[in-house]
Amino acid sequence: DTAVSQTPKYLVTQMGNDKSIKCEQNLGHDTMYWYKQDSKKFLKIMFSYNNKELIINETVPNRFSPKSPDKAHLNLHINSLELGDSAVYFCASSQLARELFFGEGSRLTVL
Amino acid sequence: KQEVTQIPAALSVPEGENLVLNCSFTDSAIYNLQWFRQDPGKGLTSLLLIQSSQREQTSGRLNASLDKSSGRSTLYIAASQPGDSATYLCAVPDTGNQFYFGTGTSLTVIP
Repeated sequence: DTAVSQTPKYLVTQMGNDKSIKCEQNLGHDTMYWYKQDSKKFLKIMFSYNNKELIINETVPNRFSPKSPDKAHLNLHINSLELGDSAVYFCASSQLARELFFGEGSRLTVL
Repeated sequence: KQEVTQIPAALSVPEGENLVLNCSFTDSAIYNLQWFRQDPGKGLTSLLLIQSSQREQTSGRLNASLDKSSGRSTLYIAASQPGDSATYLCAVPDTGNQFYFGTGTSLTVIP
């Protein structure tokens, strides 16, 4: 039973398209995150939601829009995709900044 | 803002050797420190979580230590195996539920 699951695992699309990545956690955690891992493997925080409320919003283009319909779900929608958006996007969750759990990642390739 | 550094960036050892990975952080007021493993093309797997009140945490051949006053943690891997080859990352949370990651150490264990 996967704790943090994200779909799709792979996404290949053309520049200019709009795409979404979904994330769900069944751990009962209040806080969920989106991270971006670039080709150099550095993990960069993008957004964090605590109980459906946005608490961290790093300097990310406004083409990226997170949505949290409930505390178990955090989706990421990306408009007008650019080549530089190609990366692996990880969803994660935690409870009160204790242990952090990650999903398997969604590899986005923009052509 | 917390800054987390991992040295070395890459490490190559022959099978059977014991090794130490290092993680340094600038703000010693941490709740805990977490060590992760990432295999190529995969997500991050939590290895060990050390609470701020703990000095050590062990899991099998892995032992993590924490020295808050000096801002350092080490991950000791005993009797390394080729299957230990991966990237190892450490992370610390702040009071705002944000986690700060090091840049990782890429470990190769040579058979």
